[in-house]
Amino acid sequence: GAVVSQHPSRVICKSGTSVKIECRSLDFQATTMFWYRQFPKQSLMLMATSNEGSKATYEQGVEKDKFLINHASLTLSTLTVTSAHPEDSSFYICSARDTSGQGRQPQHFGDGTRLSIL
Amino acid sequence: ILNVEQSPQSLHVQEGDSTNFTCSFPSSNFYALHWYRWETAKSPEALFVMTLNGDEKKKGRISATLNTKEGYSYLYIKGSQPEDSATYLCAPSGYSTLTFGKGTMLLVSP
Repeated sequence: GAVVSQHPSRVICKSGTSVKIECRSLDFQATTMFWYRQFPKQSLMLMATSNEGSKATYEQGVEKDKFLINHASLTLSTLTVTSAHPEDSSFYICSARDTSGQGRQPQHFGDGTRLSIL
Repeated sequence: ILNVEQSPQSLHVQEGDSTNFTCSFPSSNFYALHWYRWETAKSPEALFVMTLNGDEKKKGRISATLNTKEGYSYLYIKGSQPEDSATYLCAPSGYSTLTFGKGTMLLVSP
């Protein structure tokens, strides 16, 4: 089945550090990838839609200068949390959808990244 | 932002019990509904994508129904097993994006 690889799985770093998270589709091409964030006891919240070869689409309230998204190829999207602060500590997870699919196709998820900013 | 409600929030059953939980969502402008299973320390796994009112889908002991007119879907697990323990997420979908509920956390005790 479709596999999405996300790493790192866990990051602990000091406030002010920038952190890059990678999301790769291993056996399919993904024109579109999605980045979600989950706070404790809350639902997965969509942060942005990553579009290969074009700018990401950010959800309302998500700072695009804070959360930089790059989708340079059909198999790789990266999320960089710039100058991270303790309030950015959260669980970040990516998903990808087969190029041919739209909202009626399942998304395939990575394992997520637990980010802790000290 | 879509209002997606899942109930119950958590559920604890014994092995062999059958169980079900609910996902409710706005019925207007319905496009599709996704169900995912999310086991601890793993990635969410797609169970079903449902599109038509009255849809019923089945995967082993797990099945789901859909009512788009009233805006709800039920997920059923027949004869629960400990390996069914997970959080079950529903997500109505627009053309591109999903909106997730908080999930139902199921624990099945041997």
